[in-house]
Amino acid sequence: EVVLTQSPGTLSLYPGERATLSCRASQRVSSVYIAWYQQKPGQAPRLLMYAASTRATGIPDRFSGSGSGTDFTLTISRVEPEDFAVYYCQQYGGSPLTFGGGTKVEIK
Amino acid sequence: EVQLLESGGGLVQPGGTLTVSCVGSGFTFSNYAMSWVRQAPGKGLEWVSGISGSDGRIYYADSAKGRFTISRDNSKNTLYLEMSNLRAEDTAVYYCAKPRGDRGYQVLTHFQYWGQGTLVTVSS
Repeated sequence: EVVLTQSPGTLSLYPGERATLSCRASQRVSSVYIAWYQQKPGQAPRLLMYAASTRATGIPDRFSGSGSGTDFTLTISRVEPEDFAVYYCQQYGGSPLTFGGGTKVEIK
Repeated sequence: EVQLLESGGGLVQPGGTLTVSCVGSGFTFSNYAMSWVRQAPGKGLEWVSGISGSDGRIYYADSAKGRFTISRDNSKNTLYLEMSNLRAEDTAVYYCAKPRGDRGYQVLTHFQYWGQGTLVTVSS
């Protein structure tokens, strides 16, 4: 099973600041099999990125993804008020599908 | 518009059985693999099980093997998860999830569409 470790657990930022979220895999994962989701309280997750760096439909270009091997990153270039939420990475290179533990982006 | 509507959650005693359902609309249901993903209160996401659209491929997380059974009825556009021998740690919101349009064949994939979830509480 591929274990995904996200850091930091919580990221406190002012609106307009840059957010850098990390997702580290316990073994190599092809970048085509990494996705990122955003989840707000009381809502279902929302797909942000797939194949590590491809934005899903309707996702603004302030969100970007990168990485390879075991280290992947989601970057929000300038955090907007609606971006404060929990973010999860996911690998889909094999069974079982696994998610990271999440990074909460909160208002400072 | 793609819609996924879960139902069937509720309170069940430890060791009990419960089946949750998900009705899909706005797409050709039989063309898409579907999955169940759960989220315990205040915790992260955990994939539970996935099933292909029509050729019988099924996968389970270790936590679900031997206790949970995923199935679907394409004539009713409905996905099911039968859960038996339930434990307190199975308490969670259960979401059904659907891949993006060009990933319909893939069971092991990422998810563009999610239902609103149904809460299963295992407690005496």
